[in-house]
Amino acid sequence: GGIITQTPKFLIGQEGQKLTLKCQQNFNHDTMYWYRQDSGKGLRLIYYSITENDLQKGDLSEGYDASREKKSSFSLTVTSAQKNEMAVFLCASSIEVTNTGQLYFGEGSKLTVL
Amino acid sequence: GDSVTQTEGLVTLTEGLPVMLNCTYQSTYSPFLFWYVQHLNEAPKLLLKSFTDNKRPEHQGFHATLHKSSSSFHLQKSSAQLSDSALYYCALSDDTGNYKYVFGAGTRLKVIA
Repeated sequence: GGIITQTPKFLIGQEGQKLTLKCQQNFNHDTMYWYRQDSGKGLRLIYYSITENDLQKGDLSEGYDASREKKSSFSLTVTSAQKNEMAVFLCASSIEVTNTGQLYFGEGSKLTVL
Repeated sequence: GDSVTQTEGLVTLTEGLPVMLNCTYQSTYSPFLFWYVQHLNEAPKLLLKSFTDNKRPEHQGFHATLHKSSSSFHLQKSSAQLSDSALYYCALSDDTGNYKYVFGAGTRLKVIA
């Protein structure tokens, strides 16, 4: 089996700050995803990547950047943190070359902006 | 575009009673439906996935049947357990190769003694 590791688990930042979340997977999966989890709004796709150095925007990409420099890692940057923002960011990966297979998730990174 | 609608908010059940969490969807293409479960402070994990034929997927006492005629994939269990308390997400994908999964808003199930 494999695992998805997200760091940090908790991130506290200041308004306007650039903040980066990291995700590592050892499944050797091609496709990786970043989702934002808000209560009552489900999981909303921010960015995804179908292979190393590929980046695709999701529905919620404004205000975020992403980077996939290696197959095993996918990072997400909040370009300018918004005051009072609080959310959980979930990283996921999938082996399927089409999106009919399951997603494997990390435990999440919780962001708080003061 | 694709969309998923779930039973809203919080569902509270007494242990031993049947569970039914609703999921309906809209999709232009042939859909694949999933149920994910997330226990407190844990990662979401796959609970069930629809089959392409008429088989009914089952796992840990939960089952769901894809009904294309009514665009539904409701999650059911005959008898709720305290350990079933969690957040449940219904999700949709299709075979168009767009790599996107669409999630519902989530339903929180709380099972009480």
